[in-house]
Amino acid sequence: AQSVTQPDIHITVSEGASLELRCNYSYGATPYLFWYVQSPGQGLQLLLKYFSGDTLVQGIKGFEAEFKRSQSSFNLRKPSVHWSDAAEYFCAVGTGNQFYFGTGTSLTVIP
Amino acid sequence: EAQVTQNPRYLITVTGKKLTVTCSQNMNHEYMSWYRQDPGLGLRQIYYSMNVEVTDKGDVPEGYKVSRKEKRNFPLILESPSPNQTSLYFCASSSGQLTEKLFFGSGTQLSVL
Repeated sequence: AQSVTQPDIHITVSEGASLELRCNYSYGATPYLFWYVQSPGQGLQLLLKYFSGDTLVQGIKGFEAEFKRSQSSFNLRKPSVHWSDAAEYFCAVGTGNQFYFGTGTSLTVIP
Repeated sequence: EAQVTQNPRYLITVTGKKLTVTCSQNMNHEYMSWYRQDPGLGLRQIYYSMNVEVTDKGDVPEGYKVSRKEKRNFPLILESPSPNQTSLYFCASSSGQLTEKLFFGSGTQLSVL
């Protein structure tokens, strides 16, 4: 079955610390991969995407993600977290005519 | 401004009373879709549409209907809502290419009593 797994339901980091959010997917071929962020009361906003080429992709707000085919992973990273990064983060896969989302990781940033 | 507009933002209704949540986009997008977001389950696709008069089921279509008579509009219809349809609903659109991002509406919080 097709699936997108975000194993961390909730993560707490200190402001200025580094961040890594995990995402694994299970599909036959290399899908199109996305990370979205959802601030409270808002819709989802695209952070970055990968569909081919360089496996390290840069996104908005200082985020980056690395595609690792051997691990079927697409982890999101940020070297120094800001308080405004507190939000819910969703990994998503585009395949066929559909997009599949993970269950999300809620990020809390403490001063 | 490019946007996806959903209405209403909040809706409280009772079991069995038909309702419609509207969705409109101003980007001439071919692809539109509906998702529901539930705690611990993330976003699950209800229906999607590749173009006018072309719709297809997503992962959780039971109890929902959609129509795509015009390119810009993609309403979600609950003919007989039930409490298990209490959820946060999002409409989204894109150009239709899987490499392109989805533009999301602000969401509709639906409570069915």
